[in-house]
Amino acid sequence: KNQVEQSPQSLIILEGKNCTLQCNYTVSPFSNLRWYKQDTGRGPVSLTIMTFSENTKSNGRYTATLDADTKQSSLHITASQLSDSASYICVVSAAGKELSFGAGTTVTVRA
Amino acid sequence: SQTIHQWPATLVQPVGSPLSLECTVEGTSNPNLYWYRQAAGRGLQLLFYSVGIGQISSEVPQNLSASRPQDRQFILSSKKLLLSDSGFYLCAWSPLRTGATGELFFGEGSRLTVL
Repeated sequence: KNQVEQSPQSLIILEGKNCTLQCNYTVSPFSNLRWYKQDTGRGPVSLTIMTFSENTKSNGRYTATLDADTKQSSLHITASQLSDSASYICVVSAAGKELSFGAGTTVTVRA
Repeated sequence: SQTIHQWPATLVQPVGSPLSLECTVEGTSNPNLYWYRQAAGRGLQLLFYSVGIGQISSEVPQNLSASRPQDRQFILSSKKLLLSDSGFYLCAWSPLRTGATGELFFGEGSRLTVL
């Protein structure tokens, strides 16, 4: 069973609207959590990193949250643009272990 | 600045043919290097990682092998491709061993189709 579960698997939103992606994990002991953006046919690029003590972190129109108690993270996209169309991957790092990757959420922004 | 190059970007190979994907990193020394495979609808799967020249660790037993002949060069190979080897292969590097706070920097990927 995958230790990082993302939802929804995919979503379609209209340009200018907001959306929220979810990431639940069971990885332990928790070290940090990163959200990556992967454009179609390209390699993933890191958007944010969340450590245990951080609850919220923003990178432009992207805002990530972390609840280490419930082992949940979210990525909120504000005022979506066509360029936000991509897959968003949640990656959790555990001390002394390999990274655990979620399957990703595919976001499609339509004009 | 550091850059990572991966090639070829796309290739179509018949079953039983050999494979060689290359990856090089510029602008850094002693990087940790990784090969991942990404299947549709699934998370990235770590295939191999290397912490130094000639040091290769395999995460999943399979039809593939990896080599690191130089500090910043990582090669993914196969002697005889299988249909199941089709997928999107990503090379990545990091300045720290995964499991720490080190970020992974990915190449552009190689789309392999085995027919």
